[in-house]
Amino acid sequence: DAGVIQSPRHEVTEMGQEVTLRCKPISGHNSLFWYRQTMMRGLELLIYFNNNVPIDDSGMPEDRFSAKMPNASFSTLKIQPSEPRDSAVYFCASSILRLAGNLYNEQFFGPGTRLTVL
Amino acid sequence: GESVGLHLPTLSVQEGDNSIINCAYSNSASDYFIWYKQESGKGPQFIIDIRSNMDKRQGQRVTVLLNKTVKHLSLQIAATQPGDSAVYFCAEAGGATNKLIFGTGTLLAVQP
Repeated sequence: DAGVIQSPRHEVTEMGQEVTLRCKPISGHNSLFWYRQTMMRGLELLIYFNNNVPIDDSGMPEDRFSAKMPNASFSTLKIQPSEPRDSAVYFCASSILRLAGNLYNEQFFGPGTRLTVL
Repeated sequence: GESVGLHLPTLSVQEGDNSIINCAYSNSASDYFIWYKQESGKGPQFIIDIRSNMDKRQGQRVTVLLNKTVKHLSLQIAATQPGDSAVYFCAEAGGATNKLIFGTGTLLAVQP
C-alpha cells in the first residue's frame, strides 16, 4: 500500500495567490483529516470528513480556507487568498471509521506539504 | 518582534537506556489514547494505542501505561536506540466524534 499521498510536497507562493493542497487517502479508509503544524501552535486539526461528508470544520482558521472531498479517494484544501501566516506544514491523515464496536482507530499520516507564503 | 514557538519538553537519554515519556490528558471522558512518533521532515507515525478498558499494552520495545485516575499516559521505550530520536505525541479521543486531540509533544534525544 502506498499510504496517504499528498501533493505537492513543497509549495512556495506569494501573498494573495490561491493555493490548493491535495490528498489521496489509503484505499478503504473512510475518514480523512486535515492538520496544520507550526512551531507556534503545534499540530492542529483543521477539518475532518467521514464518508466524504465534512463533520467538524471548527478548526478552519477563517473563510480563506476551504476543503472538499468529492469522492472517497481524493480531497483538497484550498487557501484563497494566501497570507504569510499560513506558512506551515499541512498534513492529511486517513483512518477507518467503524459504525459499531470501536469507534476510534489509528490515523495514518501523509508526508505533508510544506507551504511557504512570501 | 521575536516569535516565540512552542517549548517542547526534551528528554535526553543514553543509547541502550530505557526511556519514559509522559503525557497528561485533559478530558476524563476520553476512552482512546495513542502515541505517535514524528521524525524531522516526516509525518507522524503510529506507535501504539490503548483503550480505556486497559491499563497497559505492550508492543515491540514499547509499552503504554494508562492511569485514568490521574489522567496520565506514558510511553516506555526499552533499550533506546539513536533511531528513536524524534518528537513523540500523545493523543486522546472520546465522546461521539472520531477526532484525535494531540498534545504538544516531547523531544527525545538519544545520545550515542
